[in-house]
Amino acid sequence: DAGVIQSPRHEVTEMGQEVTLRCKPISGHNSLFWYRQTMMRGLELLIYFNNNVPIDDSGMPEDRFSAKMPNASFSTLKIQPSEPRDSAVYFCATGGSGPKAGELFFGEGSRLTVL
Amino acid sequence: KNEVEQSPQNLTAQEGEFITINCSYSVGISALHWLQQHPGGGIVSLFMLSSGKKKHGRLIATINIQEKHSSLHITASHPRDSAVYICAVTGNQFYFGTGTSLTVIP
Repeated sequence: DAGVIQSPRHEVTEMGQEVTLRCKPISGHNSLFWYRQTMMRGLELLIYFNNNVPIDDSGMPEDRFSAKMPNASFSTLKIQPSEPRDSAVYFCATGGSGPKAGELFFGEGSRLTVL
Repeated sequence: KNEVEQSPQNLTAQEGEFITINCSYSVGISALHWLQQHPGGGIVSLFMLSSGKKKHGRLIATINIQEKHSSLHITASHPRDSAVYICAVTGNQFYFGTGTSLTVIP
């Protein structure tokens, strides 16, 4: 299995632009998590889905942030409009199933810089 | 107050030393995770615990539910163990510790 695949790996954009981050989970994993990591705040959970349904989005910082999971093999995190304080590394992770239930598998992250 | 506290924040050890990283939490949990983040930024899940102890190679993780405390031990440490180790707990919500930065010197 290729693991959790995120794209883009790096994005530099200007304030006000729309940013879309993508995640392809590991096949068969029912849970998907979006995290943000900054130097100031460390790792923060933004939202998580179970069976494609958003379960807890209390970590989403503002209405500028939205996340979707239209099917079991794809999720997006969108920021519109982006601001410099959104600069961070955004990780997608999925939750294992079967013998690995509860274990987290992380993508390599998308590093976002908003100028 | 942070729901998850880790100690120490930074740790430098000589190769071969036995290392302990501690995690205390203040909320009810269903599971505790130990994560490893290397300088390149990738995050790997090391352990998921809900009770007792788990061992994988030179890594051992323990949890005491009554005391709301977990420890991550590294035996015979090696420079490649240098990374940030993050404790996370899951209950009603996800909470993360701020991480312990470990440097193992050859």
